[in-house]
Amino acid sequence: GESVGLHLPTLSVQEGDNSIINCAYSNSASDYFIWYKQESGKGPQFIIDIRSNMDKRQGQRVTVLLNKTVKHLSLQIAATQPGDSAVYFCAEKAGNMLTFGGGTRLMVKP
Amino acid sequence: DGGITQSPKYLFRKEGQNVTLSCEQNLNHDAMYWYRQDPGQGLRLIYYSQIVNDFQKGDIAEGYSVSREKKESFPLTVTSAQKNPTAFYLCASSHGRVKRGPTDTQYFGPGTRLTVL
Repeated sequence: GESVGLHLPTLSVQEGDNSIINCAYSNSASDYFIWYKQESGKGPQFIIDIRSNMDKRQGQRVTVLLNKTVKHLSLQIAATQPGDSAVYFCAEKAGNMLTFGGGTRLMVKP
Repeated sequence: DGGITQSPKYLFRKEGQNVTLSCEQNLNHDAMYWYRQDPGQGLRLIYYSQIVNDFQKGDIAEGYSVSREKKESFPLTVTSAQKNPTAFYLCASSHGRVKRGPTDTQYFGPGTRLTVL
């Protein structure tokens, strides 16, 4: 059968601190990137996106940074709140298909 | 979750049975997708459909089948040929690359958790 229970990398932060979640992508031809948030037992929720012709994009309390030279994407969450606790996935798009990273679990300590 | 619904939320199946998972969207999206998620892992693409009456295999299509007879609906059948079907199944939809180009964002439903007894 399939392997089960690959442990997700976990980031633990104090409430009110800033969080930085990192993602390495694989395809240099990817031209669009998305961050999703997934709470336990729910579907992924769109957070923010960025095109490959940009280095930075800001939303409400979130910022995505793209470094194409080293194929690295990061999600910064300002003033992290307990409701931010979830698994965060990056996704890269080349052509029609999205390819998802393995995810990072964010735990917010009150 | 938006305008994408999946049913049922939980599904139990005996070995050797086929089961069908429902996915409906009212977002007027052309494209729809099925993913499988195993514990602690990312999403893997099973099937996708860019337009009605057309669909393509994803990375792990073996043991699954789909149909796209209506724009709003993209049901997934998990057949007895799927050796390890216990997983969380996610449906997604998007406007499609023709309409939105490279920034075609996928939006997900709430998921169906399938357990084989």
